[in-house]
Amino acid sequence: AQKITQTQPGMFVQEKEAVTLDCTYDTSDPSYGLFWYKQPSSGEMIFLIYQGSYDQQNATEGRYSLNFQKARKSANLVISASQLGDSAMYFCAMREGPPSGTYKYIFGTGTRLKVLA
Amino acid sequence: GAVVSQHPSWVICKSGTSVKIECRSLDFQATTMFWYRQFPKQSLMLMATSNEGSKATYEQGVEKDKFLINHASLTLSTLTVTSAHPEDSSFYICSARDTGYQPQHFGDGTRLSIL
Repeated sequence: AQKITQTQPGMFVQEKEAVTLDCTYDTSDPSYGLFWYKQPSSGEMIFLIYQGSYDQQNATEGRYSLNFQKARKSANLVISASQLGDSAMYFCAMREGPPSGTYKYIFGTGTRLKVLA
Repeated sequence: GAVVSQHPSWVICKSGTSVKIECRSLDFQATTMFWYRQFPKQSLMLMATSNEGSKATYEQGVEKDKFLINHASLTLSTLTVTSAHPEDSSFYICSARDTGYQPQHFGDGTRLSIL
């Protein structure tokens, strides 16, 4: 079974509008972390936002916010006021287990976002 | 902060050549580094995890003799693709973290083309 599922292969959004990128996860570990990364066409992976499983509040970083619904096991990324530079591939990733120790990320298949002028 | 430098950005070489890719953490000590491979329009596939001073842990299906990983210091890990063939052509990207409370920070990746 997929541990991280991103069901939207591609999304379009009009410039200045908000967009939500979906991510659901599957784990039985009570301690885990959820991450979103942006990958422009140039290839680098840019860290956007992090949500820990014990965090009480949804994470926010500037125009990025994470809609964390623990019971539904979803961690959707919300980008407000979209800009043309937001056009990129977006990956959701999960770390299973606590932050201490060696762990690895499990990546979703990604969502390609295109912002329209 | 948390800058990871990866070099080279592009490599084009003949079949049979060995290629070394470097991954450096510039402003933090990376206790753990990760090497990924990414095919066009696909997600990142973890190849191996390396901890400073110890042998790398390879994911299932990754040939350790083909992809040699060395993590000799807290700021440098190298991936050597030995006797590269056209099927090894891909985008390779490394990441590093200091403590587990920090996210993985990625290098800019290396596009490897084997002719």
